[in-house]
Amino acid sequence: EDKVVQSPLSLVVHEGDTVTLNCSYEVTNFRSLLWYKQEKKAPTFLFMLTSSGIEKKSGRLSSILDKKELFSILNITATQTGDSAVYLCARRSGYALNFGKGTSLLVTP
Amino acid sequence: DGGITQSPKYLFRKEGQNVTLSCEQNLNHDAMYWYRQDPGQGLRLIYYSQIVNDFQKGDIAEGYSVSREKKESFPLTVTSAQKNPTAFYLCASSMGQTNTGELFFGEGSRLTVL
Repeated sequence: EDKVVQSPLSLVVHEGDTVTLNCSYEVTNFRSLLWYKQEKKAPTFLFMLTSSGIEKKSGRLSSILDKKELFSILNITATQTGDSAVYLCARRSGYALNFGKGTSLLVTP
Repeated sequence: DGGITQSPKYLFRKEGQNVTLSCEQNLNHDAMYWYRQDPGQGLRLIYYSQIVNDFQKGDIAEGYSVSREKKESFPLTVTSAQKNPTAFYLCASSMGQTNTGELFFGEGSRLTVL
């Protein structure tokens, strides 16, 4: 059974739209929830969430964690073509990160 | 510049041959990791190492081997026992358990077995 489940698996939007990406996770040994953006090769770090209800924000991106319902969302407002990427959610338990399958986002002009 | 260097970026091998992927970091990180990425599968953990001379199997360790003789280096060998070795391999590092969780990734190595 997957420890991290992301939805949707893929998404196509128009520039300017707002998108919400979802991530649910298994609670066993949970320490933190991380979001990464992968454009071509190396995933780049976006957010790390450890506390419920506290929004993390960086420009047009924001994320929040709900530890009671075991999920996190990543919001992107006013999307741009440069936001096209695979967004990865990962749960940290101990040393390792368990990743979801990712959401492939395509932003069309 | 500090970072993680993986080599080679692209590698072609014949079936039955062992191949070693290099991963070097100059971030002074204690922990290092190897992940495999296949289309539609996300990242799956192969091996990780918390300190020098110690490593643990991840979720898909069969057919792979690693060593950690130096803090900076964590090479991965894909052996002939790995049934489906064609994939994108990512190396990562982190400060270890004192850090809250961020992993830094290399640019990856794409292995194709013919």
